[in-house]
Amino acid sequence: DAGVTQSPTHLIKTRGQQVTLRCSPKSGHDTVSWYQQALGQGPQFIFQYYEEEERQRGNFPDRFSGHQFPNYSSELNVNALLLGDSALYLCASSLAAMTGKLFFGSGTQLSVL
Amino acid sequence: QKEVEQDPGPLSVPEGAIVSLNCTYSNSAFQYFMWYRQYSRKGPELLMYTYSSGNKEDGRFTAQVDKSSKYISLFIRDSQPSDSATYLCAFRIQGAQKLVFGQGTRLTINP
Repeated sequence: DAGVTQSPTHLIKTRGQQVTLRCSPKSGHDTVSWYQQALGQGPQFIFQYYEEEERQRGNFPDRFSGHQFPNYSSELNVNALLLGDSALYLCASSLAAMTGKLFFGSGTQLSVL
Repeated sequence: QKEVEQDPGPLSVPEGAIVSLNCTYSNSAFQYFMWYRQYSRKGPELLMYTYSSGNKEDGRFTAQVDKSSKYISLFIRDSQPSDSATYLCAFRIQGAQKLVFGQGTRLTINP
């Protein structure tokens, strides 16, 4: 049983560029959440998708957007990249009724130069 | 005041020691309490999930919640080198989707 898979594992971009990160949830899971983890910090909630709709959003600007597909996979898009967007981006999947019990992928390490 | 406070460590102990990891929180609306373990270059992994005050035990791990003091702890008995990781406390309000994480405590168990 494959767990949560994220791609790519590493990414280097320059300021002002746009990036798309991808996530496939654990088999059987229908909910995908995205978190940003800066070095030495805990993960910060970006948003959650369920039934292809954004269900809740954290304190992130509109430059951060997402999408969930009918097969429950998800994308995170970040526009107009800033140096401060450099972080590990984590995707987590869960069942809708078990939001606290998240299964995380290994993340995408984004470096903005 | 930060919503969650967690000592970042690092914490280094000998193999076999009892480890105590702690978090304090200020939001009295938190009703669900979790501990995640994160190995280097990996995503967090759920260790313990509780929703009431008191103790919950799972093998060598015990989670303790004191809602009156807004304080949670994770105890690791008979610690092993494989327990070396960053431990994150996490909280959730009922009805909310997001988890609020602590900063994480980096733990090293020395053989």
